[in-house]
Parts: sequence; C-alpha cells; structure tokens
Amino acid sequence: QSALTQPASVSGSPGQSITISCTATSSDVGSYNLVSWYQQHPGKAPKLMIYEDSKRPSGVSNRFSGSKSGNTASLTISGLQTEDEADYYCWSYAGSTTWVFGGGTKLTVV
Amino acid sequence: QVQLVQSGSDLKEPGASVKVSCKASGYTFTSNGMSWVRQAPGQGLEWMGWINTNTGNPTYAQGFTGRFVFSFDTSVSTAYLHVSSLKADDTAVYYCARVAGSRPHYYFDYWGQGTLVTVSS
Repeated sequence: QSALTQPASVSGSPGQSITISCTATSSDVGSYNLVSWYQQHPGKAPKLMIYEDSKRPSGVSNRFSGSKSGNTASLTISGLQTEDEADYYCWSYAGSTTWVFGGGTKLTVV
Repeated sequence: QVQLVQSGSDLKEPGASVKVSCKASGYTFTSNGMSWVRQAPGQGLEWMGWINTNTGNPTYAQGFTGRFVFSFDTSVSTAYLHVSSLKADDTAVYYCARVAGSRPHYYFDYWGQGTLVTVSS
C-alpha cells in the first residue's frame, strides 16, 4: 500500500476544472517533502507536469497547477480538454532513503 | 534536447535474465542520476530505485533487492537494468527516468519510452 493516497478516478466535462488529491498516509511523508505530478496516456511514458509542489516545466500548459496544504498535495486542471484524459500519479520522498508514487488517478473527460 | 532511448521489447523464459539499456543524449550523463520504474500490466507506477551516475552508488527500493542490479557505462552514456531469475510477475514495462532536483526532493524530468519485458515459457 502506497504511502501516498490518490482517488482511483475523477471525471469532468470539457471546460470544467478538476482537482486530484495526493494525501500522505505516513508521518514520514509530511508537508516538508515536495511533490511532483506525472501524466500518463495509455501505452505512453509518463510526463512530468508539476515539480516541487507547484512549479510547471517549460512546455506544460498553464491549465495545470499544483498546490499543497498540510499533508495533502493537489493537482488542478482547469479548462478541461479531451486530451487531458489520462492517468495521473504523484511522487514524493517517503523517508528512510525511499521514494514512492501514489496509486494513480484515472481522469475521464466526459 | 534530452533524450532517453531504451532497448526493445524482450521475451524471456522463467529463470532467465534480462538486461535493459537506456541511452542518454543531450546532456552530461554524470550530471543527473538515473532511476528505474516498473509498471506491470494494468497497474500503477512502481519506483525500483536509482543510481548515482557520479559515484556509482545505487539505491534499491523495497522489493527490488537481490535480483535487480543497476549499472551504467559513462563512455556510452548508457544506464542498465539487469534482472536475474525472472518470474512471471516480472512481466512489465520498465522505464528509465532522469533524476532532477535536490535530495530528497527529487523528480523525474525526462523518461525513456519504456521496455516491455515478458516472462513466459
């Protein structure tokens, strides 16, 4: 069981905003540790969308934003587009020289 | 531009070994560590560990000790994942990913395309 808990699925309609949460379930994964987010389309490699909680790599749409409050990090996608339909994973340090991915969230754009 | 190009798909029998390669280009290979991530069919991403390409020191995640070995060859800017005594549940896509950021706040800024390893008799 991952030390980072994500909802299994979220959905939204084109143009709407959605938020995917990533909650630390271990005291080792706390508000101190920075979170990154990855998008993965079926059959494709993951892609970095957000790093260090809220920074966006060059080339990533500004419709994607990251934030954190306490032990919960969030990825928000505004102005949903059909191409945003994918799996999303959070990632962070889990203490004791180990790092962990969240279980992943399937985003459906209906 | 940074690129990570992995070796092609492989079919192995149980008990055999496999070596997956990840050739880096577009940056100084020793400037960033390299991590390996496994994704079993229909499952999520699983961090296997990483190797410091400066010191050669590897870190293996829980569940990936013993049969899994990370290595690299700086002369060809290539990282390797070697898996021995393959089992059916090693069937997965294996990704290499470049490590960025400062410890412990690492993240993966570039990924290889993935290598499917199928273990079947």
